[in-house]
Amino acid sequence: QKEVEQNSGPLSVPEGAIASLNCTYSDRGSQSFFWYRQYSGKSPELIMFIYSNGDKEDGRFTAQLNKASQYVSLLIRDSQPSDSATYLCAVNPPGNTGKLIFGQGTTLQVKP
Amino acid sequence: NAGVTQTPKFQVLKTGQSMTLQCAQDMNHNSMYWYRQDPGMGLRLIYYSASEGTTDKGEVPNGYNVSRLNKREFSLRLESAAPSQTSVYFCASSTSWDQPQHFGDGTRLSIL
Repeated sequence: QKEVEQNSGPLSVPEGAIASLNCTYSDRGSQSFFWYRQYSGKSPELIMFIYSNGDKEDGRFTAQLNKASQYVSLLIRDSQPSDSATYLCAVNPPGNTGKLIFGQGTTLQVKP
Repeated sequence: NAGVTQTPKFQVLKTGQSMTLQCAQDMNHNSMYWYRQDPGMGLRLIYYSASEGTTDKGEVPNGYNVSRLNKREFSLRLESAAPSQTSVYFCASSTSWDQPQHFGDGTRLSIL
């Protein structure tokens, strides 16, 4: 059974702090990895995607991928109350299909 | 530029009724997807279409059918609705299987 695991949280951080969100996946051959943000009652919104081992930065967001350890993480620097949402990790397993497997999401609360 | 448009946004059905959820994208994407999102279950893939003229099952296809009408449109049909199909349904599209998927606003479906 292919799985993507996230801590459901809530993860609570003070405004201005770094929020660290983690995701592990079971299928070693997985090829592409995505982070989505979802506000309550809204649709998922793409935040970051990463294909290769290492770090990828975009503004306040950094995605980190370690295929050997089968984890992907999202760092949010200078967290703002507007970052409070559920963050979904999605993994593209082997097979070249785009059949993403989503984790259940981590709820982030940024407190002013 | 609308992106991914889903209709209707809300719908209430009685058990046994049928209906079709519509999805259209204007980004010239090749691949399209239908997901359902339930509390505690995360996003799960129902069906997907890698390219115009092809469709394939996802994780939870039972009780649903799909039609890739053309490159822009991908519809999801419930032939005989059941209370277990009460959910939020999202359509998504991507350039290809390994590229990020972009989501519509969702259809909130209740089956009584």
